[in-house]
Amino acid sequence: TQLLEQSPQFLSIQEGENLTVYCNSSSVFSSLQWYRQEPGEGPVLLVTVVTGGEVKKLKRLTFQFGDARKDSSLHITAAQPGDTGLYLCAGAGAAGNKLTFGGGTRVLVKP
Amino acid sequence: NAGVMQNPRHLVRRRGQEARLRCSPMKGHSHVYWYRQLPEEGLKFMVYLQKENIIDESGMPKERFSAEFPKEGPSILRIQQVVRGDSAAYFCASSPRSDMNSPLHFGNGTRLTVT
Repeated sequence: TQLLEQSPQFLSIQEGENLTVYCNSSSVFSSLQWYRQEPGEGPVLLVTVVTGGEVKKLKRLTFQFGDARKDSSLHITAAQPGDTGLYLCAGAGAAGNKLTFGGGTRVLVKP
Repeated sequence: NAGVMQNPRHLVRRRGQEARLRCSPMKGHSHVYWYRQLPEEGLKFMVYLQKENIIDESGMPKERFSAEFPKEGPSILRIQQVVRGDSAAYFCASSPRSDMNSPLHFGNGTRLTVT
């Protein structure tokens, strides 16, 4: 069974601060996706990373896929209250027919 | 282009009753996935279906749970004789391909409460 561990579980910061969320596994994933989920809604895809060492930027969000394709990080620069939500990483294994989700990191950005 | 539609949004059942959760995938999507989420937790895979076929049900409890995706109509997740531990949010997602490098499009879930 492939497991993804996210840390921290909860993060509370002030508007304007930076934050980093980590997603780690002992397994290799063919790709990794990051989703954001708001209360009462389903997860919405932010980015997919496929290549080991890949870095993708989405405005103030920077996503990195580890060289060995076992871990990933999400960094938010100058966080805003609109960044508040549950951030989920999800990996596609070698079989490739389903995504395994991490436990999520709940981010609260206070104005 | 409507997204993934799930209904009902909220469902309350007494212990022992049956729960039926429906999911209409995005237009053109023939791959459907069901996930379960407990409060403040991530999503746990339950089952992956294509039209008329169950491809992977490794996350489904062996008893009381079943899923189908008929040729016509929505995908159905059925829970028989519900127990309190079945209370959770159930999310459906669809995709146009089986390739997991393509994104999943999620519905807004059905929140099941068993009293």
